[in-house]
Amino acid sequence: SYVLTQAPSVSVAPGDTARVTCGGNNIGSKSVHWYQQRPGQAPVLVIYYDSDRPSGIPERFSGSNSGNTATLAISRVEAGDEADYYCQVWDRGHVIFGGGTKLSVL
Amino acid sequence: EVLLVESGGGLVKAGGSLRLSCATSGFTFRDYNMNWVRQAPGKGLEWVSSITIGSSYIYYADSVRGRFAISRDDAKNSLYLQMNGLRAEDTAVYYCARTSGSHDYFDYWGRGTLVTVSS
Repeated sequence: SYVLTQAPSVSVAPGDTARVTCGGNNIGSKSVHWYQQRPGQAPVLVIYYDSDRPSGIPERFSGSNSGNTATLAISRVEAGDEADYYCQVWDRGHVIFGGGTKLSVL
Repeated sequence: EVLLVESGGGLVKAGGSLRLSCATSGFTFRDYNMNWVRQAPGKGLEWVSSITIGSSYIYYADSVRGRFAISRDDAKNSLYLQMNGLRAEDTAVYYCARTSGSHDYFDYWGRGTLVTVSS
């Protein structure tokens, strides 16, 4: 089955750019979606179809996808961005989530 | 406002059964594919099952196939998950999530209901 690989954690200083990666075999040929999950809350969609932002999501959130890596970038990081981030794809009738990356704002 | 509200969670012994419900409002339920996603304590998201419009297609994760059954009642705007043969590893918060239109991502999620299976 298809596997998505995420680093367990990423740390960034406020105001810097955080990059959360999601690795998968030829993931660039798939559509990747990203969710933010703050502690004790339900996930929230932040990026869909690699790089589109839902209404209400700040422009600071962006995405890209090529080759074997998809990336969620968060510019001008704020304390409120501290959360777990998950990538997701569909593969042959199954929904696949990455293991999640905990973003810590120093 | 789109709302998804799960219920039916609780404490059950291994081998037992539970039926989860997801009551929805704020959108035309029959026009959307729906899903269950779970999250074990301290762990990541795990997709459980999906059901398409009109119940035409149903999909399950390998970990629950043969034990869980997803269903929907469009007249009641509700989604269900019948869980049989529960195991300790099924302990998790179970989220109901809506698939956006004809796409393959989840645009709205409920707050979840906790299922605890004692061994």
